[in-house]
Amino acid sequence: IAGITQAPTSQILAAGRRMTLRCTQDMRHNAMYWYRQDLGLGLRLIHYSNTAGTTGKGEVPDGYSVSRANTDDFPLTLASAVPSQTSVYFCASSEGTSGYEQFFGPGTRLTVL
Amino acid sequence: GQNIDQPTEMTATEGAIVQINCTYQTSGFNGLFWYQQHAGEAPTFLSYNVLDGLEEKGRFSSFLSRSKGYSYLLLKELQMKDSASYLCAVEDSNYQLIWGAGTKLIIKP
Repeated sequence: IAGITQAPTSQILAAGRRMTLRCTQDMRHNAMYWYRQDLGLGLRLIHYSNTAGTTGKGEVPDGYSVSRANTDDFPLTLASAVPSQTSVYFCASSEGTSGYEQFFGPGTRLTVL
Repeated sequence: GQNIDQPTEMTATEGAIVQINCTYQTSGFNGLFWYQQHAGEAPTFLSYNVLDGLEEKGRFSSFLSRSKGYSYLLLKELQMKDSASYLCAVEDSNYQLIWGAGTKLIIKP
């Protein structure tokens, strides 16, 4: 693994289903983030984690949950998907929480029907 | 509320210079980032400004005026591969990035 990876690359999901998007980094970064990107809007922060064992809510957390059991992994779960969660999801990581470059994964394109 | 404004789209000619502006109103300021995003790909870091002034990095430069809530990204000697979206993001008082919607730059031969 080099950098930050996400899985799956894309997914079509029926409304009401549960889905977990996976994110793994091998850079030993402390901070990790989940964003969604929608056409015409900037990246919006869903949840973040400043260090393993801690998580926080971003701008648009409703309908999503995260966990940070270790440094490398930061999964995002949609408990019961709705069509408004159709988006491109990016996971990112940074060495620290302030003033540090964020490195992004390749993204997951999710469609909820 | 928090707001980041950038032009939606700009067009420039190969070999020319283009300036992409970003104005912001945020709760607190801990620095401003510029990222590049090619279509269908992830954003990649270009620059970071926390103090007023110009930061130069090869063909790309970024300027910040904190008193005016203003930044610009200057791209020189434009190449076709510079066709991409350019994202402005401000780190607020909660150490979270607030992102603009991005400026799509189209380079013509």
